[in-house]
Amino acid sequence: DAGITQSPRHKVTETGTPVTLRCHQTENHRYMYWYRQDPGHGLRLIHYSYGVKDTDKGEVSDGYSVSRSKTEDFLLTLESATSSQTSVYFCAIKQGELSKTQYFGPGTRLLVL
Amino acid sequence: AQTVTQSQPEMSVQEAETVTLSCTYDTSESDYYLFWYKQPPSRQMILVIRQEAYKQQNATENRFSVNFQKAAKSFSLKISDSQLGDAAMYFCASEGADYGGSQGNLIFGKGTKLSVKP
Repeated sequence: DAGITQSPRHKVTETGTPVTLRCHQTENHRYMYWYRQDPGHGLRLIHYSYGVKDTDKGEVSDGYSVSRSKTEDFLLTLESATSSQTSVYFCAIKQGELSKTQYFGPGTRLLVL
Repeated sequence: AQTVTQSQPEMSVQEAETVTLSCTYDTSESDYYLFWYKQPPSRQMILVIRQEAYKQQNATENRFSVNFQKAAKSFSLKISDSQLGDAAMYFCASEGADYGGSQGNLIFGKGTKLSVKP
């Protein structure tokens, strides 16, 4: 357990509404990641952060934005949710600069109607 | 782009038997890390084992071991003495270099669903 929580754990929303998912960690890790998991695709990187206010895009970043104003919180925002963003979202941290190992939060299941 | 391929969508094993899950990957890096993650029905992603590419010795963690063939870019997971609790999706992952280089995101395969028969 790397002290990672995600909120909410489940959310149902309507197309066109904004949605923000929160990832919170308690162990002061520098690197944080957002992935989405869809059937037949495994996990794919959306955005990542390498420090406060330092973020960059991943493989599937279109339609998503992120913010990191504090070390412990990494927010993922869907500005205007679409049905294609129905997915399970995982936050992860990288434990240490050299470890390369990522540990995951429990996931958020998002349904966009 | 980097890819990770798991060619077995589903596998089945008898309790107490041994099963091997296959994974191949593609990378241009000379030093990298490889991982196997387990995802039970709870959806939690759990690290099973990791391998550093520069190490010749195959990694082991209790009943889990890997067969790492660097030249062939193959990284299979062997589960010995299978238990009912091993039933899960298993994902192979490599350290990615496409996004951020040293930032170390992971590239995942599509997963293998393992069933364990009592």
